[in-house]
Amino acid sequence: QKEVEQNSGPLSVPEGAIASLNCTYSDRGSQSFFWYRQYSGKSPELIMFIYSNGDKEDGRFTAQLNKASQYVSLLIRDSQPSDSATYLCAVYGMDSSYKLIFGSGTRLLVRP
Amino acid sequence: DAGVIQSPRHEVTEMGQEVTLRCKPISGHNSLFWYRQTMMRGLELLIYFNNNVPIDDSGMPEDRFSAKMPNASFSTLKIQPSEPRDSAVYFCASSWGQGEGDEQYFGPGTRLTVT
Repeated sequence: QKEVEQNSGPLSVPEGAIASLNCTYSDRGSQSFFWYRQYSGKSPELIMFIYSNGDKEDGRFTAQLNKASQYVSLLIRDSQPSDSATYLCAVYGMDSSYKLIFGSGTRLLVRP
Repeated sequence: DAGVIQSPRHEVTEMGQEVTLRCKPISGHNSLFWYRQTMMRGLELLIYFNNNVPIDDSGMPEDRFSAKMPNASFSTLKIQPSEPRDSAVYFCASSWGQGEGDEQYFGPGTRLTVT
């Protein structure tokens, strides 16, 4: 079982809709969770991080964390074509405090 | 403030040649990470340093790969000899080095093509 799992997509949503990106992780002791956005040909860019159960909102982005279910998600409200990118979920492993484990990413396509 | 700086941005070389990739982390960051990204394997951590000391190099694919961090503001990743399967985008990232919870910031990457 992979440590961090994401559906590769593509997830296609119309402009203005809510895009929901999901991620599950295997290490029950993980405490820190990150979402990176990567445009084609560019480097990963940190957009959200969350440490506590519940929701964390930043502009159009909301990260949701459920440690009991080992599940973290990213909601993008009012999706724009410029949000089309690959979204990477990343988790710190409990046994290696500096080592960030990345999922394979979900490709999001926002249709105009 | 400048982000993570990598050079070169693109490198094309022939099989068997030595390749050196360079990275300057964000000033004040104590941890530095080298990643490799390919379509097949995604983003893989190769090695990371904390306070210039290599902490975990378990991701380094083989002895052809080596990395150094002689000071807090510079690191190199060297491949000798290079092979076509080393073709990938290599990213350097840095963080404050406080451990779990740290946000890592990526450089623009070096796209390596080995022919």
